[in-house]
Amino acid sequence: DAGVTQSPTHLIKTRGQHVTLRCSPISGHKSVSWYQQVLGQGPQFIFQYYEKEERGRGNFPDRFSARQFPNYSSELNVNALLLGDSALYLCASSLATGYGYTFGSGTRLTVV
Amino acid sequence: GDSVTQMEGPVTLSEEAFLTINCTYTATGYPSLFWYVQYPGEGLQLLLKATKADDKGSNKGFEATYRKETTSFHLEKGSVQVSDSAVYFCALSDQAGGTSYGKLTFGQGTILTVHP
Repeated sequence: DAGVTQSPTHLIKTRGQHVTLRCSPISGHKSVSWYQQVLGQGPQFIFQYYEKEERGRGNFPDRFSARQFPNYSSELNVNALLLGDSALYLCASSLATGYGYTFGSGTRLTVV
Repeated sequence: GDSVTQMEGPVTLSEEAFLTINCTYTATGYPSLFWYVQYPGEGLQLLLKATKADDKGSNKGFEATYRKETTSFHLEKGSVQVSDSAVYFCALSDQAGGTSYGKLTFGQGTILTVHP
């Protein structure tokens, strides 16, 4: 079975641009969460979606948004990019909220 | 709010040495506790977990025991290998239900380097 897949694996954006990151959960998993991992730190929670509804939001500005589609895949959108948004963005899926999480390999975003 | 504190790193050991990475947590309720490992350039892999007090999680020679009285979940391995070199993250998950939804709160990570 395929694991959690994220695309793209790497990308470089300019300050002020927007970016869309994509995540496909493990088949059968209905919950998707997004985390931001700045170099040298632990991942920070951004969003959690379950059954296409937002179930949790971390302490991130409104420039960050996400959605989950009927097939349970998800997008993370970041507008008006700042240099500080440079990080590894991780997606995790689970059967339901509160169950164990499986992480993807992440998208490395560099803002210049 | 919930928080996780890991011992300062990096940790450098020789092969076959004993490993301990300390982890303490602050949480309301009864969280589940996890250790994740991250190899260079990769995402996080679940190493082990414990869901209630006194539970011992174990995997690949690594062990950790959920100690509610000391709010700790220290990671141990009796004999490390070069291939264990990675970053280790302690994490907790609040229990889903009510206003909780099981998000993960991570520590800052501990870099482990094992030399032959």
